[in-house]
Amino acid sequence: NAGVTQTPKFQVLKTGQSMTLQCAQDMNHEYMSWYRQDPGMGLRLIHYSVGAGITDQGEVPNGYNVSRSTTEDFPLRLLSAAPSQTSVYFCASSYQMAPYEQYFGPGTRLTVT
Amino acid sequence: AQRVTQPEKLLSVFKGAPVELKCNYSYSGSPELFWYVQYSRQRLQLLLRHISRESIKGFTADLNKGETSFHLKKPFAQEEDSAMYYCALGAGSYQLTFGKGTKLSVIP
Repeated sequence: NAGVTQTPKFQVLKTGQSMTLQCAQDMNHEYMSWYRQDPGMGLRLIHYSVGAGITDQGEVPNGYNVSRSTTEDFPLRLLSAAPSQTSVYFCASSYQMAPYEQYFGPGTRLTVT
Repeated sequence: AQRVTQPEKLLSVFKGAPVELKCNYSYSGSPELFWYVQYSRQRLQLLLRHISRESIKGFTADLNKGETSFHLKKPFAQEEDSAMYYCALGAGSYQLTFGKGTKLSVIP
């Protein structure tokens, strides 16, 4: 099993550009989530999903959009990139029966200039 | 609202010395507490959960509801313990709330 995969590993965007960060898992986990990791701030939840077709906002959802059309995939869209979105983004997944025991992807390092 | 506080950004200890990483939480209900660890160039991974009361890699953590704490302890630090440690709180609605993390540096 590949576990949780994320692409790309690195990305540089100009202010105002849009892009999609990809996340996929092959463990048949119901629950998936996106976090951003900033120095001194820890991990903050952006959006999460408890199953296909169901998404909800986390702590810092502004500027991001998600959808969950399949169990396996949970892409994160940046609508109009801003320098404040420079961060490392992590995708995670877990079983519904143990939602807090999360498996993390390797992360995407995004720089917005 | 729930909150997790890790008061130390950086903790440096000598190899063989005891380690205690502090974690305090704020939540009015029954919490589920976890420790996650991120070694250099590796993914964030689950280290401990309070409900299993287990010892992983020599680390233990006890939930103290009276003091609302979940400190991570190890009697003898090893160099391979150097990493970023995050305390996390599960408080319903499938959301994990993370602390800001403590970087543990074990000095040879």
